[in-house]
Amino acid sequence: NAGVTQTPKFQVLKTGQSMTLQCAQDMNHNSMYWYRQDPGMGLRLIYYSASEGTTDKGEVPNGYNVSRLNKREFSLRLESAAPSQTSVYFCASDPVAGVSGELFFGEGSRLTVL
Amino acid sequence: SQQGEEDPQALSIQEGENATMNCSYKTSINNLQWYRQNSGRGLVHLILIRSNEREKHSGRLRVTLDTSKKSSSLLITASRAADTASYFCATEVHNFNKFYFGSGTKLNVKP
Repeated sequence: NAGVTQTPKFQVLKTGQSMTLQCAQDMNHNSMYWYRQDPGMGLRLIYYSASEGTTDKGEVPNGYNVSRLNKREFSLRLESAAPSQTSVYFCASDPVAGVSGELFFGEGSRLTVL
Repeated sequence: SQQGEEDPQALSIQEGENATMNCSYKTSINNLQWYRQNSGRGLVHLILIRSNEREKHSGRLRVTLDTSKKSSSLLITASRAADTASYFCATEVHNFNKFYFGSGTKLNVKP
């Protein structure tokens, strides 16, 4: 049982390049989230998806797009990467949005934008 | 702005001592959760306390919640070197189904 799987684990981009971070969960959870973690800033919510077919903005959505491809997969796209997007990105899921539960996290994707 | 803020930012103690971390938040919440993150890893859920609860225990963990002060504390008793990690509080805000994290407390337990 893999839980939440993120790919790639590491990526280096040049300014202006695009890329997609992939996330998949095998726990049949309805809700999925993308966070970024910067030193001293904690985790900040980028986008979330309460259920398949829905997405909503979090605290810091600018420069990102998301796709909830199906119940298992939630991808995060950087269309034109900027150095300010250098960060560690975490995908998370929880069983049902709006019903108090816990988040299950992936191991993170470490992105450097030069 | 972030919903939760932990205090202190860093804490260093000897093995066997107790560690206390505090979290303050700004708006009404459904629940508050504490997570642990080992260096270079993802976050792992430790304990959840609902807005109508005041105290909760899980093994060596004790969490309190004071909604009038909008604050929570996490107590780890009889700490071990393996407890060395960063600890984050997360609040689930009413009607938004979102989890907001603080900036964390970095705990170092010296053997």
